[in-house]
Amino acid sequence: DARVTQTPRHKVTEMGQEVTMRCQPILGHNTVFWYRQTMMQGLELLAYFRNRAPLDDSGMPKDRFSAEMPDATLATLKIQPSEPRDSAVYFCASGSPGTANTEAFFGQGTRLTVV
Amino acid sequence: AQSVTQLGSHVSVSEGALVLLRCNYSSSVPPYLFWYVQYPNQGLQLLLKYTTGATLVKGINGFEAEFKKSETSFHLTKPSAHMSDAAEYFCAVSESDSWGKLQFGAGTQVVVTP
Repeated sequence: DARVTQTPRHKVTEMGQEVTMRCQPILGHNTVFWYRQTMMQGLELLAYFRNRAPLDDSGMPKDRFSAEMPDATLATLKIQPSEPRDSAVYFCASGSPGTANTEAFFGQGTRLTVV
Repeated sequence: AQSVTQLGSHVSVSEGALVLLRCNYSSSVPPYLFWYVQYPNQGLQLLLKYTTGATLVKGINGFEAEFKKSETSFHLTKPSAHMSDAAEYFCAVSESDSWGKLQFGAGTQVVVTP
């Protein structure tokens, strides 16, 4: 069945290392979101794309985070260099506006731990 | 700008009892409203949503919610709690002119006791 796929599910890395998280949106969805979940801040929107173009990345720390969609089947979120405060669960979601099913479907998340 | 307030970070209910989770929102344009459920180590699953039309919305697993514009509320209810309802529940708002940009509440952890 159709689902949003995120890899890896878990990642432990050392401070200063580069981290890349990947998301495969549901086929046919033209909008992709990246959310971050922490105990302190809850769920926050980092960035989102429509038709592979970034629409809003105001929630994302610009100095170390970058998000891209190399093609319609892959979205990436990179952190370089990573810091302990980046430890969180990162969710990708996809959907298509203007359809009868006006919802975004979430992946299972990447749990990132930066030590 | 939009925001969501969920009253109560933890709720404990007895199995078979009413589940009531409160959500109030603010939005400068007609809102789309959502309730999501998150089980441990899982992503978010949509329970139900309100976009337009009927203000009483029925969702999965026996949950329903009522959009009350005058009270800016979208409370979630289930008549009879089941052990499998133990999870975290998030209310979210999206403005109708910015599809998909969800503003989440802080979440309510539901514990179901036998």
